[in-house]
Amino acid sequence: AQSVAQPEDQVNVAEGNPLTVKCTYSVSGNPYLFWYVQYPNRGLQFLLKYITGDNLVKGSYGFEAEFNKSQTSFHLKKPSALVSDSALYFCAVRDMDGNNRLAFGKGNQVVVIP
Amino acid sequence: DGGITQSPKYLFRKEGQNVTLSCEQNLNHDAMYWYRQDPGQGLRLIYYSQIVNDFQKGDIAEGYSVSREKKESFPLTVTSAQKNPTAFYLCASSKLAGAVNEQFFGPGTRLTVL
Repeated sequence: AQSVAQPEDQVNVAEGNPLTVKCTYSVSGNPYLFWYVQYPNRGLQFLLKYITGDNLVKGSYGFEAEFNKSQTSFHLKKPSALVSDSALYFCAVRDMDGNNRLAFGKGNQVVVIP
Repeated sequence: DGGITQSPKYLFRKEGQNVTLSCEQNLNHDAMYWYRQDPGQGLRLIYYSQIVNDFQKGDIAEGYSVSREKKESFPLTVTSAQKNPTAFYLCASSKLAGAVNEQFFGPGTRLTVL
């Protein structure tokens, strides 16, 4: 079964500093990977996805993610964090059986300190 | 959250009662999904449906039931058989045809058992 791991529970970063949220995956075959963000008591918002091609994927709100096949990672990055980026971030991988099921990681709480 | 509505936002239930959570989408998506979110556990799939009048169990279907009588609607019933129903419930939808498609999420329903 496909799975993702988000090894850190919380990421603290100062406003203006680079932000990185880590994700590693385990799949059989080529991975389809996603990042979502969740603000308190809200649904998830799609940020970006990797299907194939360029290893650097650009998404919404200035976020990008780097796909690294040798390290089986798909880390989310932002060059300069904003206080408004404080939220819960989820990495997900799609099942390979074509039904579009997603397996989510446990989530990372990001706290951007003013 | 655009295009998918969930109601109610907050729901309180007494032990032994069944309750139904509503999910409606106007995105013309074929597939719909129900997830349960508990703190520190990410999202877990309850049920999903790829077509009207058909649905499949996810990873934690016990104590839940669904129906898909219309393409736009995918209500979830939390039955009295669900031993620990207090959680945040998220509905999502996605296209199925074509490229690898992201899921779009509703704003969620927070269920509390009194």
